[in-house]
Amino acid sequence: EADIYQTPRYLVIGTGKKITLECSQTMGHDKMYWYQQDPGMELHLIHYSYGVNSTEKGDLSSESTVSRIRTEHFPLTLESARPSHTSQYLCASSAGGEVTEAFFGQGTRLTVV
Amino acid sequence: GQNIDQPTEMTATEGAIVQINCTYQTSGFNGLFWYQQHAGEAPTFLSYNVLDGLEEKGRFSSFLSRSKGYSYLLLKELQMKDSASYLCAAMDSNYQLIWGAGTKLIIKP
Repeated sequence: EADIYQTPRYLVIGTGKKITLECSQTMGHDKMYWYQQDPGMELHLIHYSYGVNSTEKGDLSSESTVSRIRTEHFPLTLESARPSHTSQYLCASSAGGEVTEAFFGQGTRLTVV
Repeated sequence: GQNIDQPTEMTATEGAIVQINCTYQTSGFNGLFWYQQHAGEAPTFLSYNVLDGLEEKGRFSSFLSRSKGYSYLLLKELQMKDSASYLCAAMDSNYQLIWGAGTKLIIKP
């Protein structure tokens, strides 16, 4: 069973607030990812990391930042939340190597009012 | 551009067989993944194909044709618990996954 955890599961927050979504995995995976998923839509890659102190931007990265100070921890920060950020955020990790399956967390459903 | 196409929704009967198709266009190709996602839950890995042909894993099988840019997921002996969305994702030349929007499978008794 995959051991990747996201907190909070649900969050309702006001416009303009700064928020950090937490993601931790206990599998020792080098690669970690943040995706955004709206109902009935494809997953969009926001940020990814191939190891400690490595972060890369995906398709939707312009309004958020990530850090990878420890292997197990990959938080996502929105500096100023907007209603357009309302979505489901999924964190995933995979082992080293070029082609390995990704394990997903349960997701954070964010609503910005 | 890079693109994944799969049907939005399919309906099937408990005990029957269903085939979910996926076509892909990517810059380079390093394999095709299928994931299952129940409503409100995380996607879970089902299968990976990189060579042409059929891979069987219990009730689920996955097929790939690289020349046609085509894959399908075959589910046999359908059970009510198979009601979920099935996500197709192709890995491009940079080893990044390009995701489809998912096919919502509804199983009726």
